Amino acid sequence: GAGVSQTPSNKVTEKGKYVELRCDPISGHTALYWYRQSLGQGPEFLIYFQGTGAADDSGLPNDRFFAVRPEGSVSTLKIQRTERGDSAVYLCASSLGSFTGELFFGEGSRLTVL
Amino acid sequence: EDQVTQSPEALRLQEGESSSLNCSYTVSGLRGLFWYRQDPGKGPEFLFTLYSAGEEKEKERLKATLTKKESFLHITAPKPEDSATYLCAVQAFNQAGTALIFGKGTTLSVSS
Repeated sequence: GAGVSQTPSNKVTEKGKYVELRCDPISGHTALYWYRQSLGQGPEFLIYFQGTGAADDSGLPNDRFFAVRPEGSVSTLKIQRTERGDSAVYLCASSLGSFTGELFFGEGSRLTVL
Repeated sequence: EDQVTQSPEALRLQEGESSSLNCSYTVSGLRGLFWYRQDPGKGPEFLFTLYSAGEEKEKERLKATLTKKESFLHITAPKPEDSATYLCAVQAFNQAGTALIFGKGTTLSVSS
């Protein structure tokens, strides 16, 4: 498939556990974004990568959240010591350029923290 | 503070009944305004980009317009397959230039 791929599609974990969410962007897209969407809300920006580096991580809510993109393609969002309030759909998107608002989103990873 | 407000929260239409969705925004400097469509269980799908007041974009039964304070998404003669949540987002010059600020969306239901 040529779209943005996210795994797992669903993740149920217990409070306090560590979670990793993976995103495989569209081939050739240098920009990669993570957003979080809670029920009934619009997506909320978390972090933006241009190539391998995090160019803007101003949306990460606290230091329990971290993301990497070591080779400039696949990205992993890491959440430590999960809390019930972390429950949401985590959306990954990619784009050709840095400042375009035309993003290509994946279907998301639904995280439920019990 | 940059902000996006969409109304109504939900809209029910009969097939063929035209209507408009509203997106009001406050932003210190608008780089662009974007409309997305989101189906249940899916990620948002890009529809339009608008950059300046007076600009209009069309795609099939949808037309997006922009003023200095708001944008409208006009739906002409909708069909059941137009049922979805429509999201509006802005991108501001005063940020790193990348983050989109989304509204909560308008959920449209079109019945036949």
